[in-house]
Amino acid sequence: DTGVSQDPRHKITKRGQNVTFRCDPISEHNRLYWYRQTLGQGPEFLTYFQNEAQLEKSRLLSDRFSAERPKGSFSTLEIQRTEQGDSAMYLCASSLADRGLTGNTIYFGEGSWLTVV
Amino acid sequence: AQKITQTQPGMFVQEKEAVTLDCTYDTSDQSYGLFWYKQPSSGEMIFLIYQGSYDEQNATEGRYSLNFQKARKSANLVISASQLGDSAMYFCAMRAPGTALIFGKGTTLSVSS
Repeated sequence: DTGVSQDPRHKITKRGQNVTFRCDPISEHNRLYWYRQTLGQGPEFLTYFQNEAQLEKSRLLSDRFSAERPKGSFSTLEIQRTEQGDSAMYLCASSLADRGLTGNTIYFGEGSWLTVV
Repeated sequence: AQKITQTQPGMFVQEKEAVTLDCTYDTSDQSYGLFWYKQPSSGEMIFLIYQGSYDEQNATEGRYSLNFQKARKSANLVISASQLGDSAMYFCAMRAPGTALIFGKGTTLSVSS
């Protein structure tokens, strides 16, 4: 069983360009999450999907950000017109849908580092 | 609203010693889960240990144990017999069913020989 995989691992882009990150979750997991992490901080929630439905979006997800999970398997996170403040690591995670009282464990990928110059 | 507080920006420990990383949380939910993750310099967030709010016994996973004190709303991570490979950032996190995982700001652990 492979874990959560993300691509690309590193991306350097010029301000104003668009970038797209891909995430492949653990195969049997129906939930997929995106987080953003800046240096010295904990990850911040961006959005999550259950199957192909996007169930929650953080206020951090400005209109320049869009995420999709068209067939309920892999997901993409696109950032349009990148700004220097978008420089961060973008983490993808997956889990089974919650059963029981306290929620299932969420497993993370290795992250995609974005540098906007 | 849920909140996680980690008050130790950095901790230093020698090999083979035990170390406790502090975590307090705030929530109005009765049902929730508490998690600890390790993040080495490579960036991957590695799941270490989980404690459910209704679990009566403290969780243990190998050298990791979670000291869960529900009345105090604390969920400290104890690492026994520290190893050089334990040097990393450690995050405490929590979630209630149907909500996203929220993280604290983390504690950097440095293990020396």
